[in-house]
Amino acid sequence: AQKITQTQPGMFVQEKEAVTLDCTYDTSDPSYGLFWYKQPSSGEMIFLIYQGSYDQQNATEGRYSLNFQKARKSANLVISASQLGDSAMYFCAMRGPRFSGGYNKLIFGAGTRLAVHP
Amino acid sequence: GAVVSQHPSRVICKSGTSVKIECRSLDFQATTMFWYRQFPKQSLMLMATSNEGSKATYEQGVEKDKFLINHASLTLSTLTVTSAHPEDSSFYICSALGQEYNEQFFGPGTRLTVL
Repeated sequence: AQKITQTQPGMFVQEKEAVTLDCTYDTSDPSYGLFWYKQPSSGEMIFLIYQGSYDQQNATEGRYSLNFQKARKSANLVISASQLGDSAMYFCAMRGPRFSGGYNKLIFGAGTRLAVHP
Repeated sequence: GAVVSQHPSRVICKSGTSVKIECRSLDFQATTMFWYRQFPKQSLMLMATSNEGSKATYEQGVEKDKFLINHASLTLSTLTVTSAHPEDSSFYICSALGQEYNEQFFGPGTRLTVL
């Protein structure tokens, strides 16, 4: 069965510094997708970045980058130059197994609450 | 990015009443939408997959007759919580499937409180 693990319930970082949020996954499907979402206190889920299992390079989107280590089954999110507005919950998610018909379903980790301090 | 709206954002109702929540993709067509439930300080739990023009697919443990889903058009899916009870109080979030990475774009959520 597929599983996403986020072991850091809470993290804090100083403004303008970089922070890494951990995510490990487990799947037997050779083809999968990994996503990171941000959920501010308002509740909406904001798509940040995507990494495909066959992508040769680590994904980057502005200040967000994904440190994808396939052999270790990890997909850590790196936020550079943290801003106060980055304070939120962050969820790692994996696209469901294709063979089950749930290819587009997302399996979410427990989340990490990030607090950015001035 | 793509925009998904949800209405209402908050609803308070009496026990036994039914509540309808709308999810709309505003600037793209979505053949597939998803409904999630999120309890305080917990992760999102998928309730069902809504497919335009066909019956929704419910996750194990989710009551089909309790949570009615209708995906009548390529831009609208509705979730109706029938005969709501206090234990149905939760944050309900919908999402619509995008085209580029098959990513999901989420609505702002609906906070349901059943008295």
